[in-house]
Amino acid sequence: AQSVTQLDSQVPVFEEAPVELRCNYSSSVSVYLFWYVQYPNQGLQLLLKYLSGSTLVKGINGFEAEFNKSQTSFHLRKPSVHISDTAEYFCAVRKVDQGAQKLVFGQGTRLTINP
Amino acid sequence: DGGITQSPKYLFRKEGQNVTLSCEQNLNHDAMYWYRQDPGQGLRLIYYSQIVNDFQKGDIAEGYSVSREKKESFPLTVTSAQKNPTAFYLCASISTTLTREKLFFGSGTQLSVL
Repeated sequence: AQSVTQLDSQVPVFEEAPVELRCNYSSSVSVYLFWYVQYPNQGLQLLLKYLSGSTLVKGINGFEAEFNKSQTSFHLRKPSVHISDTAEYFCAVRKVDQGAQKLVFGQGTRLTINP
Repeated sequence: DGGITQSPKYLFRKEGQNVTLSCEQNLNHDAMYWYRQDPGQGLRLIYYSQIVNDFQKGDIAEGYSVSREKKESFPLTVTSAQKNPTAFYLCASISTTLTREKLFFGSGTQLSVL
């Protein structure tokens, strides 16, 4: 069964510092992985996705993630964060259930940027 | 511009009352989903529909009901059987396959119990 674990529920960092949000997955089949961002009182927006090909995926707002099959990880990184990056971030993996495609989400990581 | 519209943004429910959350999309997407979001628990799937007039239970369907009479609309009813309905509810849709499209989300409805 596919599942996703986000190892940190909260990550505080200072502005312009680098950040890494950790995500580990378990899956017995081909893996499609996603990172979504949620700003307060809003829906989710896709940051980036890994479907195949290069293991380093670049997304919007300067974020990138690296797919590591041996470590079953898909950590999200940004070299220098901004106040506007304060949000909740969700890692997700595709799941196929009786022919229907669904996303299984991690518990979320709240990123707080301090000036 | 195409997108997903959820309404209302805030909703209050009295004890024993059924309430319905609206979700409309003009993206011509086949599949639609309802998620419930609680602090520290991420998103959990309530119901999903792959095609008009068909829908399936997700992981936490008890106390909820849905309908899919039109491609554009996927309303969620929170029934009186749902004893802990306070949460943020998100509707989402996608074209046919996650391998080609991203999941589009609405802006959510915050449901609270009076």
